[in-house]
Amino acid sequence: GAGVSQSPRYKVAKRGQDVALRCDPISGHVSLFWYQQALGQGPEFLTYFQNEAQLDKSGLPSDRFFAERPEGSVSTLKIQRTQQEDSAVYLCASSLVRQGEAFFGQGTRLTVV
Amino acid sequence: DQQVKQNSPSLSVQEGRISILNCDYTNSMFDYFLWYKKYPAEGPTFLISISSIKDKNEDGRFTVFLNKSAKHLSLHIVPSQPGDSAVYFCAGRPDFGNEKLTFGTGTRLTIIP
Repeated sequence: GAGVSQSPRYKVAKRGQDVALRCDPISGHVSLFWYQQALGQGPEFLTYFQNEAQLDKSGLPSDRFFAERPEGSVSTLKIQRTQQEDSAVYLCASSLVRQGEAFFGQGTRLTVV
Repeated sequence: DQQVKQNSPSLSVQEGRISILNCDYTNSMFDYFLWYKKYPAEGPTFLISISSIKDKNEDGRFTVFLNKSAKHLSLHIVPSQPGDSAVYFCAGRPDFGNEKLTFGTGTRLTIIP
C-alpha cells in the first residue's frame, strides 16, 4: 500500500528479551519519527530522522532504546532488555518535506510479560 | 509537564449537532497546531492544521480556531456524523527547527445517532 507500514503489528516479549520494530515510511518521505503511546495517553516523541541523519533522540527513555535509518528509508527501533514499563504502542510517522504533515502507521503494540 | 492539554477526556454529541473539542497549550514556542483523529487499532490520521499567523482554518465540516493570546484552540465539527466517533488529539510544534509534535492526551468523541 501507499501508507506507512509497521511490523510486527503485535509483539509479546518476555522481560529481558531484545525486540526490533520496523517502519517502512511512505516512499520519498524525508522525515521519519518514532512515538510511544501508553494506554490512555497521547503519543510521546522518541526520535526523529531527516533522511539517514538522526537529528533528535531526546525522547528515547533510556540507553536500552536505539533507532536507525541507515539508507534514509526503512527504520528500525530496537529495545534491549525489555522491561514491563516498555509496554506501549510504538508509532512511526513520516512526512514528505520538512514541516509537512506527518502520516502515521498503524503502530506496533508491544507487551512485555 | 503537560505542554498540550485536552481537559475533556470524553464528549458525547447528538448526530447533526456541533461538536466542539478544546485544547490548551503552555509552550510559547509552538507556532503550528494540528488535529489528528484516531480509530481503535489504527494510527492517528491527520485532520486539519493551523498556523499561528491565522486565527481560523476551515476544511469542509471541520474548522479550527486559534486564540494565541489565550493559548487555546478548538476544533468544531458541524454537522457531526456517526463516523466522527473517534479519539481526537491536538498537537503543537514550533514552525521552524525541531519538527517533533507534542500531543495532548486526547478526547474521545461519541456521536449519538
